[in-house]
Amino acid sequence: KAGVTQTPRYLIKTRGQQVTLSCSPISGHRSVSWYQQTPGQGLQFLFEYFSETQRNKGNFPGRFSGRQFSNSRSEMNVSTLELGDSALYLCASSLTGQTAYEQYFGPGTRLTVT
Amino acid sequence: AQKITQTQPGMFVQEKEAVTLDCTYDTSDPSYGLFWYKQPSSGEMIFLIYQGSYDQQNATEGRYSLNFQKARKSANLVISASQLGDSAMYFCAMGARAGGTSYGKLTFGQGTILTVHP
Repeated sequence: KAGVTQTPRYLIKTRGQQVTLSCSPISGHRSVSWYQQTPGQGLQFLFEYFSETQRNKGNFPGRFSGRQFSNSRSEMNVSTLELGDSALYLCASSLTGQTAYEQYFGPGTRLTVT
Repeated sequence: AQKITQTQPGMFVQEKEAVTLDCTYDTSDPSYGLFWYKQPSSGEMIFLIYQGSYDQQNATEGRYSLNFQKARKSANLVISASQLGDSAMYFCAMGARAGGTSYGKLTFGQGTILTVHP
């Protein structure tokens, strides 16, 4: 079974631009979560999508948004990029149900804002 | 709100020895899950082990075991017979079931860098 895939793997953008990152979950997984990882703040939860609806949201400004499609693939968008948005963005998918627990992570997208 | 504390920024262990990585947590959720993930230098997050708050037995997965002490709010990871390939960053995380179905939001600790010496 294929794992979680994220595209692109690396991205360089200029301050003020916007960026869209993509995540394809493991087949059959309907929950997709996004995390930002930086050396200073560590791993922080951005949002979770389930059945095309945002179910949880972290404490990030409105410049960070996401969506999920009917095939469970998810995208996150960051508008008006700032230098502090440079980070590794990780996507994770999980099964749903009382016996489901672990999140499976993708390899991440490393975003550099210059 | 949930909080995870990992007080060991770095740990060193000799190959083939056991090592314990500390994790304490705080939450007001009555039902929660505790997780450990490994992140090698490549950046991928690898799931290691899970413990549910109502599980009676401590979780074990091969060389990994989770020492769960609910009253102390601790969930330490024990790695037995360390291998060179265990050198990585280790994260403790917790979550509450979203909508009763899955752990969609995880709160992570700051991590512990483990170095295994030959």
